[in-house]
Amino acid sequence: NAGVTQTPKFQVLKTGQSMTLQCAQDMNHEYMSWYRQDPGMGLRLIHYSVGAGITDQGEVPNGYNVSRSTTEDFPLRLLSAAPSQTSVYFCASSPTGTGLPLHFGNGTRLTVT
Amino acid sequence: GENVEQHPSTLSVQEGDSAVIKCTYSDSASNYFPWYKQELGKRPQLIIDIRSNVGEKKDQRIAVTLNKTAKHFSLHITETQPEDSAVYFCAASKNFGNEKLTFGTGTRLTIIP
Repeated sequence: NAGVTQTPKFQVLKTGQSMTLQCAQDMNHEYMSWYRQDPGMGLRLIHYSVGAGITDQGEVPNGYNVSRSTTEDFPLRLLSAAPSQTSVYFCASSPTGTGLPLHFGNGTRLTVT
Repeated sequence: GENVEQHPSTLSVQEGDSAVIKCTYSDSASNYFPWYKQELGKRPQLIIDIRSNVGEKKDQRIAVTLNKTAKHFSLHITETQPEDSAVYFCAASKNFGNEKLTFGTGTRLTIIP
């Protein structure tokens, strides 16, 4: 199993550009989520999904869109990049149920200039 | 929504001594409290968790305690070793699972040889 695969690893965008961060998992996990990690602010939930066709907002959803057309994929779209979106983005997945770990991807480091 | 506060933000201890990290949560409906460890440049990984129907849980040198009345929980690491140096995150959620898991801001633990 590859686990949770995120692409790209690094990305530089100009203000106003759009892009999609890709996330795929091969563990048949129902739950998938996106977090951003900023210094001193921990991991903040952007969007999450409890299954194909179902998505919901987390703590900091503004400026981001998601979709879940398949169990495996959960892409995160930046509609019009802003410098405040400079961050490290982690995708994470898990089975539903208690005591089961979130499996994180390796992260995408995004810089918006 | 849930708010998780974590203290201290940085902690340095001599190798062999104990380390304690504390978290408080705001939503009394939260019932699942995992701890994640993130080594430098790597993804977060689950190290231990506790549910609201349990007051304490141990796994070798790591233990977590929960005080539901006070809405706080703590991570205890005994006999610290250099490989314990990392950033530790506490988190809280409802439904005994990872859905809408809210993280604290992290504690950077440094073990001094």
